[in-house]
Amino acid sequence: EPEVTQTPSHQVTQMGQEVILRCVPISNHLYFYWYRQILGQKVEFLVSFYNNEISEKSEIFDDQFSVERPDGSNFTLKIRSTKLEDSAMYFCARRVGSTEAFFGQGTRLTVV
Amino acid sequence: AQTVTQSQPEMSVQEAETVTLSCTYDTSESDYYLFWYKQPPSRQMILVIRQEAYKQQNATENRFSVNFQKAAKSFSLKISDSQLGDAAMYFCAYRSANTGNQFYFGTGTSLTVIP
Repeated sequence: EPEVTQTPSHQVTQMGQEVILRCVPISNHLYFYWYRQILGQKVEFLVSFYNNEISEKSEIFDDQFSVERPDGSNFTLKIRSTKLEDSAMYFCARRVGSTEAFFGQGTRLTVV
Repeated sequence: AQTVTQSQPEMSVQEAETVTLSCTYDTSESDYYLFWYKQPPSRQMILVIRQEAYKQQNATENRFSVNFQKAAKSFSLKISDSQLGDAAMYFCAYRSANTGNQFYFGTGTSLTVIP
């Protein structure tokens, strides 16, 4: 199965800075997800994105988060003002048909 | 929200032996999907196996099989002939077929394979 590719693999940022995490390149996929996993904890749903619109979002996905597909291929997650507790692995996933999701390799975000 | 419970934080198995990882879930729906994902040290999430709730037959993928008990809301994963490469975190996940899109994950089971 073709994989979802995420960049960067690891990003270190200072608290308060903006970060953009990317799924690239993707075409002809309509359904995407962002999940995060704080080290040692469960995988948490952030947001789902269908046909260029947010389909569903969790309580975690507050005003500091946003998603978009700016050029029809890249699918981005933006965190406007990072906090220490945003340090986590962030996974992008695409849904295949009506069943499973295939995950990218993740971006490790470290906020210092 | 749906709840997925993995009651075994850690499990170990001897190489070539069989191990079963447990998963239970809570839902009022009748149509849904269940999954097992593997997360090796690289931390990528890899789909191992999936089960549609409407299917009575248990899914099988090579050495991996499930025991799906719909009435009991149980979905265990059996790994036969365990290999060193099977060592990883294993996550059970649920997704409704009707309402919402998100996948609900359990807290994971860390599997160690002993040579």
